[in-house]
Amino acid sequence: DVKVTQSSRYLVKRTGEKVFLECVQDMDHENMFWYRQDPGLGLRLIYFSYDVKMKEKGDIPEGYSVSREKKERFSLILESASTNQTSMYLCASRGLQETQYFGPGTRLLVL
Amino acid sequence: GIQVEQSPPDLILQEGANSTLRCNFSDSVNNLQWFHQNPWGQLINLFYIPSGTKQNGRLSATTVATERYSLLYISSSQTTDSGVYFCAVEFHGSGNTGKLIFGQGTTLQVKP
Repeated sequence: DVKVTQSSRYLVKRTGEKVFLECVQDMDHENMFWYRQDPGLGLRLIYFSYDVKMKEKGDIPEGYSVSREKKERFSLILESASTNQTSMYLCASRGLQETQYFGPGTRLLVL
Repeated sequence: GIQVEQSPPDLILQEGANSTLRCNFSDSVNNLQWFHQNPWGQLINLFYIPSGTKQNGRLSATTVATERYSLLYISSSQTTDSGVYFCAVEFHGSGNTGKLIFGQGTTLQVKP
């Protein structure tokens, strides 16, 4: 079975802190994704990566950056957390022409 | 613009009832998936179904790509079926990046 894990299920941070959310997949997938989910807005794509060190902006990249130094790991970085980044963050991975698999999600609260 | 629309937005069923959830999409697709989001927020894959029909136990799905819609059938519903069901589509124009556009979801509540 494909396994996608995220570093934290719940996280509380202060405004202005630098926040790292990590995602690891164990299926040697090329493509990895970060989404955020908000009530009334659904799931929206922040960034995605189709190879090591390669990244592309999704629909809402502002305030975020990403890092993919190894194929199995895709990190989402909030350079200076703000209260409007309080959300559920979901990571996903996918091989070529395959199903996209999601991690369990991280609920981030920024105070 | 590119759109994925799901209906109904909310659905309440008595245990044992059957239901059909619909997903309409606005353009040609490479990929269509159905997910169930459980109360803990985990998105669980139900079907990868860009076209045709698939069945898995009490669930089945049909995608008619030429008419740009997909249906998810739940038979003999159980309380554990409760949650939000999402349809997500990768459109042809995305260049096989895997980028999914999600519908707004159908929230299903199954009462005992």
